[in-house]
Amino acid sequence: RKEVEQDPGPFNVPEGATVAFNCTYSNSASQSFFWYRQDCRKEPKLLMSVYSSGNEDGRFTAQLNRASQYISLLIRDSKLSDSATYLCVVTSGGSYIPTFGRGTSLIVHP
Amino acid sequence: DGGITQSPKYLFRKEGQNVTLSCEQNLNHDAMYWYRQDPGQGLRLIYYSQIVNDFQKGDIAEGYSVSREKKESFPLTVTSAQKNPTAFYLCASSMGGGQGAFFGQGTRLTVV
Repeated sequence: RKEVEQDPGPFNVPEGATVAFNCTYSNSASQSFFWYRQDCRKEPKLLMSVYSSGNEDGRFTAQLNRASQYISLLIRDSKLSDSATYLCVVTSGGSYIPTFGRGTSLIVHP
Repeated sequence: DGGITQSPKYLFRKEGQNVTLSCEQNLNHDAMYWYRQDPGQGLRLIYYSQIVNDFQKGDIAEGYSVSREKKESFPLTVTSAQKNPTAFYLCASSMGGGQGAFFGQGTRLTVV
């Protein structure tokens, strides 16, 4: 079983739509959780951290469910510029090593 | 500007040659990481370092070597022992302790 699993998609949505991605992780002792965005042929960029209480940044909302070992990302009012791959990241172990999921591709069309 | 810099952006290597990829950060981060990304794939950890003069193997360290002589620098050498080195190499750094990592722009290595 992979440590961090994501549905690769692609998710193909119209502008203005709401879209949600989930990610599951296998290590129940994982400590920190993040969502990154990666554009084609570019480096990943930190989008937001994910907390147990949930957190929101503009149109983006992230949630963590420790009991079920998954995290989610909700994007409201999708923009064309949101088209990218979204990577789920979990840190585990005494060294807090970031482990990446393979990413979920989002395509927002006019 | 604070950040993390990788060079070169593109690198071509002949089979049998060793090449070194540069990674420098001025964020005063303790932890640094090297990942490899193949087309359509996720990031796989090659090596990481939590402190100067110390580093650990990741999941795919065979055929690679690193050094951490300075806090700011974490170069990666791709040796001739790496069977399939063509990939996108990404260097990252973080404060450690579960903080988010920040990436350089990456180096695309192609074996010709």
